[in-house]
Amino acid sequence: DAGVIQSPRHEVTEMGQEVTLRCKPISGHDYLFWYRQTMMRGLELLIYFNNNVPIDDSGMPEDRFSAKMPNASFSTLKIQPSEPRDSAVYFCASSLTANSNQPQHFGDGTRLSIL
Amino acid sequence: AQKITQTQPGMFVQEKEAVTLDCTYDTSDQSYGLFWYKQPSSGEMIFLIYQGSYDEQNATEGRYSLNFQKARKSANLVISASQLGDSAMYFCAMSTSGTYKYIFGTGTRLKVLA
Repeated sequence: DAGVIQSPRHEVTEMGQEVTLRCKPISGHDYLFWYRQTMMRGLELLIYFNNNVPIDDSGMPEDRFSAKMPNASFSTLKIQPSEPRDSAVYFCASSLTANSNQPQHFGDGTRLSIL
Repeated sequence: AQKITQTQPGMFVQEKEAVTLDCTYDTSDQSYGLFWYKQPSSGEMIFLIYQGSYDEQNATEGRYSLNFQKARKSANLVISASQLGDSAMYFCAMSTSGTYKYIFGTGTRLKVLA
């Protein structure tokens, strides 16, 4: 079975550029999560969706960040304009249902470097 | 406030021995789930094991088991017969009913020695 698929695996870009990260969740999973991982702050939840609808975006750092889920099989996280402090590993995860007993399955992450 | 605490930033274990990674949690919810993830140096996050707050038995998955002590609010991961491939960062996480957000601990870096 295909897991959560993220692209690109690595992204290096210059400050001020727009960055788009992509995610394909596991088929049939109703929940999709975007996380950011840094050494200083660990794993932070940015936003999550239920059935393509954003439920909680309280973790989105600022207006430069936006996320969409146009359909059940695709989501994007966009940073515009990017800044060096956005450098991190960004993970997408999905889970089957809304129960607290459901594990989230993570993609391999996108390692983002903003120069 | 809900919180996950992993007090061991790093640990060493000899190959083929067992190791316990500590995790304590704090929540006022009665229904919650506890999860362990492994993050090898390649970076991916791998789900290992789950324990529900109402589960009476400790969860087991192959060489992984969870020592769940509800009264002490601890959910320690036990890895038996350690292998070199077990060297990785290990994260404990909690989710509670009514929210589907994970709270992660800061992780424990495990190094298995040959």
